Amino acid sequence: QSALTQPASVSGSPGQSITISCTGTSGDIGAYIFVSWYQHYPGKPPKLVIHEVNKRPSGVSDRFSGSKSGNTASLTISGLQAEDEADYYCCSYTGSATFDVIFGGGTKVTVL
Amino acid sequence: QLQLQESGPGLVRPSETLSLTCTVSGDSISSSDYLWGWIRQSPGKGLEWIGSIHYRGSAYYNPSLKSRVTLSVDTSKNQFSLRLTSVTAADTSMYYCARLVRAYRFFDLWGRGSLVTVSS
Repeated sequence: QSALTQPASVSGSPGQSITISCTGTSGDIGAYIFVSWYQHYPGKPPKLVIHEVNKRPSGVSDRFSGSKSGNTASLTISGLQAEDEADYYCCSYTGSATFDVIFGGGTKVTVL
Repeated sequence: QLQLQESGPGLVRPSETLSLTCTVSGDSISSSDYLWGWIRQSPGKGLEWIGSIHYRGSAYYNPSLKSRVTLSVDTSKNQFSLRLTSVTAADTSMYYCARLVRAYRFFDLWGRGSLVTVSS
């Protein structure tokens, strides 16, 4: 199965809002709520920022929000800050087996 | 506070077997609420799920790696392990272990990662 499709890069100015898309199929993103998003700084482990499409773990800024429409999930970062500059990955249950998951190719967020 | 720590050789010869262990501290690995997974990131590329295992031993693998991967768990040591056979330079990656929340299929805790280079 191919990786979920994300834009390679997204940029925005401080204070703006940006949205990262993650496109899958009717068999994964389109069929289940099991979509998660991870923030990844170079040299550090990925950090969960959204799970189950739109739920934020404790301690994650409410500037991060998630949504889903059809086969596409989205991560929105509002009030963009310099510290948000990182790579972001979506992840979804594949639906093909009990616990198989698949990641997106990743999106580099640049704060201008 | 639960922590995960990867360990293993940083250099593996081509065609040999890569072996890594993840030690879980701060809580028991023997919980039905979670599975324990491995994810890797090759240089300049994205995250790739390798596989996940339940403490009772049921394992699930990425179809693209399934023929070369074996996951195992040792509850007495609170550890789980990865074996990847017949490695090539393409297997050079940062390998992460992580905890998968079983009911909702997301990784909530990650180890710091272990860099493995495949080279002669």
